[in-house]
Order: sequence, then structure tokens, then C-alpha cells
Amino acid sequence: GESVGLHLPTLSVQEGDNSIINCAYSNSASDYFIWYKQESGKGPQFIIDIRSNMDKRQGQRVTVLLNKTVKHLSLQIAATQPGDSAVYFCAETLYSSASKIIFGSGTRLSIRP
Amino acid sequence: SAVISQKPSRDICQRGTSLTIQCQVDSQVTMMFWYRQQPGQSLTLIATANQGSEATYESGFVIDKFPISRPNLTFSTLTVSNMSPEDSSIYLCSVANTGGKGTGELFFGEGSRLTVL
Repeated sequence: GESVGLHLPTLSVQEGDNSIINCAYSNSASDYFIWYKQESGKGPQFIIDIRSNMDKRQGQRVTVLLNKTVKHLSLQIAATQPGDSAVYFCAETLYSSASKIIFGSGTRLSIRP
Repeated sequence: SAVISQKPSRDICQRGTSLTIQCQVDSQVTMMFWYRQQPGQSLTLIATANQGSEATYESGFVIDKFPISRPNLTFSTLTVSNMSPEDSSIYLCSVANTGGKGTGELFFGEGSRLTVL
């Protein structure tokens, strides 16, 4: 079947290298940001989140950076593995209001062996 | 975590017909969300479905085209009415994790891939 990421921007990375995926968000009032990973044929899966009172948050092999001044998010994946191949989406919302989550445009991460 | 089951997983439909997608969650949740993902694109929120009240639709989506039911805290349906080829998309049901992580962690079903001929 057709990949959901067929027409999305693609980032090609050598296996073992670090990956950096960038995202611009739209609403300056948003104070909570999330990265999702979507593998082919599956729904998105939560990776990591960050609130606006932080500018960096680390997880296992992943780091999210937030620059509120320019409304920019990035997801860094260390030592990229074949299993990291997927489409990655950033999303934004308001933390305190159980508000709807709005997804940004995605990036397809392709791993070269 | 929540486990979400959607039916059908995929379908091929004729123009002008309607199709109802079912979403079953393995736990009781207050808010359920329906998203659309058109080929090669990101997810767009269609509506938020709360049990016991009318669904809240986003700009560009209307109840006549996408009627939603939410009869209880574990189940919801989305109907795509009077389908046209432009409705060919993946439709995803999701629920929010309310286990102390804020509102950012959505759990998604596998999606229902509709192709309209």
C-alpha cells in the first residue's frame, strides 16, 4: 500500500550517525510540544514531549530542543538505527487545558546501511 | 497505555456511499479524537468526541459530512458520508493519556484506510 510519508520531505542518514529533524510550530500560545513517530501502516506513537518552561529535554537516544523565540522544535536521534526509519511529526497544544493536539508537517527519516 | 481497535482497517468504497468506522478502546476515556491523514500528509483533526455531548468539529469539517457517535466511554464511530475520491484517506481514532503526563501523549489506533473510487 501507499506509504503515508510518500510526499513528505525526506532526511537520509547513514546508520550510526545522528539525525536532526526540524519543525516550525504555528501558535505562539502553545506551551506543550510533542514528537510522534509513525511507521508504515501504523498510527503515530509518542516519542518525547517538552513544556515551554524548558528548552531541552532528553530521553533514551532522543533529545528535543525548543526555541520559543523563533517557534522552532528539533528532534535529535543519536546513533540512528534501521528501526528509526519512519515519518516523524511534531505537534503542539496547551498543557493545562486538555486541548486538542495539532500536528505539524512531517519528515520521513530514511536510514542508509 | 490504551489499546485502540479500529474497524475496518481498510475498505474500497464507491462514490456517493457512506461508511462508518468504529473505534473501541480497552479502557474508559473522556475524550476521543478523530484525525484524517491524506496521502503523504500530516494528521488533521476532524473532531473531538466527548461522551454525552455533541462532538466538536474543527474548521472545514461539518457534522453532516462526518457524523460522530459516542455512546459510552469506550466506543465511538465516525461516518464518512456521501463519499467522493477526495475523501480517500486514513482515518485515525485516538485518545489522550491522562495518567499524569499532561495531555501530550495520544494513543492511536492503526487507522482505517479508505479508498473511494
